[in-house]
Amino acid sequence: DIQMTQSPSSLSASVGDRVTITCQASQDISNYLNWYQQKPGKAPKLLIYDASNLETGVPSRFSGSGSGTDFTFTISSLQPEDIATYYCLQFDYVPPTFGQGTRLEIK
Amino acid sequence: QVQLVQSGAEVKKPGASVKVSCKASGYTFTNIVMHWVRQAPGQRLEWMGWINAGNGNTKYSQKFQGRVTNTRDTSASTAYMELSSLRSEDTAVYYCASLYWRVWGQGTTVTVSS
Repeated sequence: DIQMTQSPSSLSASVGDRVTITCQASQDISNYLNWYQQKPGKAPKLLIYDASNLETGVPSRFSGSGSGTDFTFTISSLQPEDIATYYCLQFDYVPPTFGQGTRLEIK
Repeated sequence: QVQLVQSGAEVKKPGASVKVSCKASGYTFTNIVMHWVRQAPGQRLEWMGWINAGNGNTKYSQKFQGRVTNTRDTSASTAYMELSSLRSEDTAVYYCASLYWRVWGQGTTVTVSS
């Protein structure tokens, strides 16, 4: 199975800060990677698909980059409503696998 | 609009089975693959398997092979996930996801307890 190593596991930042989360795949997954936001008691919500494409309706402060094994997710200016846990998902190989999540808190 | 609506929470005893449904609307059900994912308390999301809603072909995670069965009813645009021989470690929220991982159901909490 492809291992997805996501870091950090938790992060505390101030409103307006730039926040970066990374995911590293154990093998080349091209750009078959999505980023999700999950709030407590809710289903994951797609933010970024195919590593760098912003899903329709998602604010432009969210962005993604990378290909191969190294991927980055960025919030350019953190807002209070961004408090959530973020996950990456690789779907190049079966089984699809998720990162362990990054819990984002407001400082 | 495109959405997936799952069945309600379940409480089961160890050794029992549970069947969760996922009703799709707003798109052509038979054109896609439906994934099933679970999230145990404090754990990462975990893929369980998928079903091709058009031809009924399935693929399962090795971890759940032999215990999980994905089916669908095309006339009702509904997919089902059945998990058997339940144990306490199967206590989790179960999600369906489709449209190339874009759309997710709201989740179904399954609690396994004696």
